[in-house]
Amino acid sequence: SAVISQKPSRDICQRGTSLTIQCQVDSQVTMMFWYRQQPGQSLTLIATANQGSEATYESGFVIDKFPISRPNLTFSTLTVSNMSPEDSSIYLCSVGPTGDTQYFGPGTRLTVL
Amino acid sequence: ELKVEQNPLFLSMQEGKNYTIYCNYSTTSDRLYWYRQDPGKSLESLFVLLSNGAVKQEGRLMASLDTKARLSTLHITAAVHDLSATYFCAVEHSGTSYGKLTFGQGTILTVHP
Repeated sequence: SAVISQKPSRDICQRGTSLTIQCQVDSQVTMMFWYRQQPGQSLTLIATANQGSEATYESGFVIDKFPISRPNLTFSTLTVSNMSPEDSSIYLCSVGPTGDTQYFGPGTRLTVL
Repeated sequence: ELKVEQNPLFLSMQEGKNYTIYCNYSTTSDRLYWYRQDPGKSLESLFVLLSNGAVKQEGRLMASLDTKARLSTLHITAAVHDLSATYFCAVEHSGTSYGKLTFGQGTILTVHP
């Protein structure tokens, strides 16, 4: 199993600013993913973050808006840049597959005013 | 493009009754997940289904997978209030997109006394 922590758990930010979300895993993992869950919606994959390579982004998401770092096998960051109210969402990191399932972090609840 | 559709999207049940949530997906996959999400919380892994005909049970929940029909079901037996939550199925991509998940829309389950 994998235990994932995220920081911050929630934040309220002003339009035009940026927020960096951290994801820490208690074991080394190859594959990490970042998802977004807009209010009342399902989860959508933003990007895949593998250590030692550039993040790969899904359609509709770009590096300038969501830069990602993956400096080692237990840590990743997602930055939400130049925020607007439409960026208000829950952002979750996940790891896996890890043999049995894919684990999700507790999420970061972002509100942009 | 992998598409995942759940139905129903909303399910109101009486305690003690049985019901089934359906998850259809559009392309071949090696792995299907069921998750539970409580309000304001992250995702809790319920089941991972790996092969055709797989059936897994935990308490009042039973999940099955038919890869030929590209269909998974989550059956609820004798529902209790504690099962009230949102349930997601998620299909894992294969090949070069290995590890990525595409989620269904989610089924909001409410169990009434």
